[in-house]
Order: sequence, then structure tokens, then C-alpha cells
Amino acid sequence: AQTVTQSQPEMSVQEAETVTLSCTYDTSESNYYLFWYKQPPSRQMILVIRQEAYKQQNATENRFSVNFQKAAKSFSLKISDSQLGDTAMYFCARATNKLIFGTGTLLAVQP
Amino acid sequence: EAGVAQSPRYKIIEKRQSVAFWCNPISGHATLYWYQQILGQGPKLLIQFQNNGVVDDSQLPKDRFSAERLKGVDSTLKIQPAKLEDSAVYLCASSSGADSGNTIYFGEGSWLTVV
Repeated sequence: AQTVTQSQPEMSVQEAETVTLSCTYDTSESNYYLFWYKQPPSRQMILVIRQEAYKQQNATENRFSVNFQKAAKSFSLKISDSQLGDTAMYFCARATNKLIFGTGTLLAVQP
Repeated sequence: EAGVAQSPRYKIIEKRQSVAFWCNPISGHATLYWYQQILGQGPKLLIQFQNNGVVDDSQLPKDRFSAERLKGVDSTLKIQPAKLEDSAVYLCASSSGADSGNTIYFGEGSWLTVV
């Protein structure tokens, strides 16, 4: 089965510090896309960042960046200068012909 | 730009009853998805439409779940009869096309509790 694994069910970080969320995936495809979605308590999934597998350069979006290691099938998310509003569930997802989600990491930003 | 609209937001029903959820995607989006998210898990794709045709319904429990998108715009997901294990959030989403690189936009979800 082609899966997405998030090994950290919960994480905590102090406001203004940096945190990294881990994700590994499995696929037999050579081209695919990877995403990180944020889901606050309201339950609406919001796209944080995306990475195209054929691009070697790591994607960045303001305080959010990824470390994409294609050979290792690893796709971690780094959040710099954490803010209270970053508290949410974070889902890693892989897209080939469909979007497959991991089980999520609950991130709590502490004041 | 209006987002993906879903209704109702919350529904409580007894097992063996039926329920229907409605979704209106972002204007112009050809691709529409229904996901099921059970508490503590990531969303699971139930069905994907491209315009009014079904692209993927491999994980839709067809004995009790049905979905339609008759005019290629809004969509309805129905469960009949409901089981306790159907308690979940049902997320509707849309994208401009079926290409896997397209950003998928999600609605706020419809919470279902089956008692």
C-alpha cells in the first residue's frame, strides 16, 4: 500500500522558536506532489506549502519551509518563529492520481 | 472569492436513518471531492468527480453511500442506512482540474454523529 507516515502524534513548541514536523511516504511513481495542510479546530484544511517531486529546491512560504529528501522519501516541515496561531493539526499528503493523507501531528504553540 | 460551501455543518441521527450533505465548490472548479475524516485520522477520499463524471469512487461504501453531481456544479453525498462507524467529518473540496499538482481547497466540513 502506498502510504504517508507521520511519526509524531503531538508536538509542543514555545512561541518564537522553531519546530520541525516529520513525514515519510511511499510511492512507486517518479513524479508526484507533496503537501502540508494545516487543520485548526474549525476543521477547515488550509494549504501551507507544496513541493513538486521533480524540483530539487526546497519550497518555502514565509515562516514555513520544507526539507525534501527524495531518495529517502522524506518531507519534513519547518516552522520558524512559531506563533500562537500556528496551533493546529498538520497533515502531510502525497498526490499522484489521488491525494493521500498521513494521520497528522497535533502542534501546540505555548506562550 | 467565495470558498467551498457545505451544509449542514452538524447533524446527529440514529443508526439506520439516512442523511444527506450538500456541497457547492468554488466557482469554475471542475473537480470536486468528498473526503471522510474519522476522529484522530487523516481525511480519506470517498469519491472524486470531474465535472459531472466519477473519476474515482474506489473507497466509497456503495452499499450505503451515494453521491451525485448532476449539473457539474454542486454535489450531494447521501448515507442510507447510517451505521455507528459513519460518525465522522465529511469534507468537500474542489480544484480547478484533476491534475495532481492542483491545489485542493476544502470546505469547513459537515460533522456527522450517528447514535
